[in-house]
Amino acid sequence: EAEVAQSPRYKITEKSQAVAFWCDPISGHATLYWYRQILGQGPELLVQFQDESVVDDSQLPKDRFSAERLKGVDSTLKIQPAELGDSAMYLCASSLAVSNTEAFFGQGTRLTVV
Amino acid sequence: GDSVTQMEGPVTLSEEAFLTINCTYTATGYPSLFWYVQYPGEGLQLLLKATKADDKGSNKGFEATYRKETTSFHLEKGSVQVSDSAVYFCVQAGNMLTFGGGTRLMVKP
Repeated sequence: EAEVAQSPRYKITEKSQAVAFWCDPISGHATLYWYRQILGQGPELLVQFQDESVVDDSQLPKDRFSAERLKGVDSTLKIQPAELGDSAMYLCASSLAVSNTEAFFGQGTRLTVV
Repeated sequence: GDSVTQMEGPVTLSEEAFLTINCTYTATGYPSLFWYVQYPGEGLQLLLKATKADDKGSNKGFEATYRKETTSFHLEKGSVQVSDSAVYFCVQAGNMLTFGGGTRLMVKP
């Protein structure tokens, strides 16, 4: 069964360091999402791609976060510099279309900033 | 704007009890509706879905019916198991995914 792949599963980094997460969506899925989920809360959308174009990055803290999906397939989310408040689960999801379709989630990357 | 409201948890039940988790939505159009489940330390898994009014989604003993007249999509299960302990999210998919706040379910033996 096709899955959304994310790596790493766990990451511990010191504050002010750079950190990057990688996501490979299900083959053929044009829409890719990055979410941040703080413990005990629901997912918060950071950025949404349609192919290689950004559809929504209104909640992405652009002073320190960046995301790219250069060839419209896999994607990288970067944080530089990391802050203590960035500790969270980072979830990647993909879907066939932008609207009215379910999204399939990866296992997530648990980030701890110390 | 679009929103999803679901009952706050935690919901604590004994094994074999009946489960209801309420979910209501506001939307400008007719979105598809989903329930996702998240086990500790894991990503979200699609539990069930309904794409139009009066559709009933079902999976693993869970059911939810898309009620346009009450804008609701309540999750039910007739007999819960300890393994159902998780966080459940009600989600609508219009032009974007809109999540409810999540409901933690704890099932005791």
